[in-house]
Amino acid sequence: DAGITQSPRYKITETGRQVTLMCHQTWSHSYMFWYRQDLGHGLRLIYYSAAADITDKGEVPDGYVVSRSKTENFPLTLESATRSQTSVYFCASSEGPGRSYNEQFFGPGTRLTVL
Amino acid sequence: QKEVEQDPGPLSVPEGAIVSLNCTYSNSAFQYFMWYRQYSRKGPELLMYTYSSGNKEDGRFTAQVDKSSKYISLFIRDSQPSDSATYLCAMSALSVRGSTLGRLYFGRGTQLTVWP
Repeated sequence: DAGITQSPRYKITETGRQVTLMCHQTWSHSYMFWYRQDLGHGLRLIYYSAAADITDKGEVPDGYVVSRSKTENFPLTLESATRSQTSVYFCASSEGPGRSYNEQFFGPGTRLTVL
Repeated sequence: QKEVEQDPGPLSVPEGAIVSLNCTYSNSAFQYFMWYRQYSRKGPELLMYTYSSGNKEDGRFTAQVDKSSKYISLFIRDSQPSDSATYLCAMSALSVRGSTLGRLYFGRGTQLTVWP
């Protein structure tokens, strides 16, 4: 299916475990993003990527690792999950740069609970 | 002070009402202004996109930007129950020079319910 997909949609894990959230887009967009959404904070950027093998930190990168070996995939790894990482995670992509950079297309989200 | 301030609501209006949603910001470098709509348990989707100051209309939706006041608005005319969602404002000061990538700054979102 065309678009942007995330897996899993729901995940429960325990403190200290490693968790990887997957993101896949079929548009060949250059830019990809990871956000977390929490009550009271709105959407906060974790990491972003301008192209394969180019990534950079966003607003709240601590405790997260990303990679982008292929244009269409942008996995997010929580190396040692903590309760404060309980959140809804959204992946997004945009064609960029220029005007289209701001037209970000979001995936359906992954609800992560860390016990 | 956050870069973007948005009243989270909730806002509840009857069908047919005119809805006004607002955001204020502090960074005068912002040039691009967006409104995203997010239905419950879904990802945000781009609704309106404006550059610099002025108005933009799309059907029942009108986006206004007042850069002198650092204030943006989204108006929904003849609101419908299907408009019930969370509306997030977003803005950026995009630079394509060098390696600078302008991030989007989101408001916290305003939860809107339109009842029949």
